[in-house]
Amino acid sequence: RKEVEQDPGPFNVPEGATVAFNCTYSNSASQSFFWYRQDCRKEPKLLMSVYSSGNEDGRFTAQLNRASQYISLLIRDSKLSDSATYLCVVHSSNDYKLSFGAGTTVTVRA
Amino acid sequence: DADVTQTPRNRITKTGKRIMLECSQTKGHDRMYWYRQDPGLGLRLIYYSFDVKDINKGEISDGYSVSRQAQAKFSLSLESAIPNQTALYFCATSGVSSHEQYFGPGTRLTVT
Repeated sequence: RKEVEQDPGPFNVPEGATVAFNCTYSNSASQSFFWYRQDCRKEPKLLMSVYSSGNEDGRFTAQLNRASQYISLLIRDSKLSDSATYLCVVHSSNDYKLSFGAGTTVTVRA
Repeated sequence: DADVTQTPRNRITKTGKRIMLECSQTKGHDRMYWYRQDPGLGLRLIYYSFDVKDINKGEISDGYSVSRQAQAKFSLSLESAIPNQTALYFCATSGVSSHEQYFGPGTRLTVT
């Protein structure tokens, strides 16, 4: 079983729509959670950290559910520039590496 | 200038050849990483280094070796390239207390 699993999508949404997707993680000892964004053939970049209480950054909202071991990302009022692959990333306290999901692709159309 | 640079950006090589991918950073970070990315598999860690004297294997280190020449430089070598090492390779850095990793632009490697 993969440590981090994501629905690969693609999620095709019109501009202005809301899109949401989850990822699940298998290691209950995981401590830190992140969403990274990767544009086509480019390097991943940190989008936002995910806190236990949930957090927002502009149009982006991240939620963590430790009991069910999943993380979600919601994008409101989608823009064309939001088209990208979103990587779910998990860090465990018992080792030093980040575990990356394979990514969820979002395409926002005009 | 980019904080994390990788050379070459693209490389085509033949099976059995030795190849080196280089990574340099100007962020002053101690921690450096090498990943490969394959479609549908996500990023997988090959090697990581927490300082110049520290080298650790990641989850897929077989067939690869690394050298940490300085705080700012971390190179990845494929001793004898094989076709299933065809992938997109990323170098990344992070600070000691941060899990935010900064990635280089990637090296697209094709082994024929």
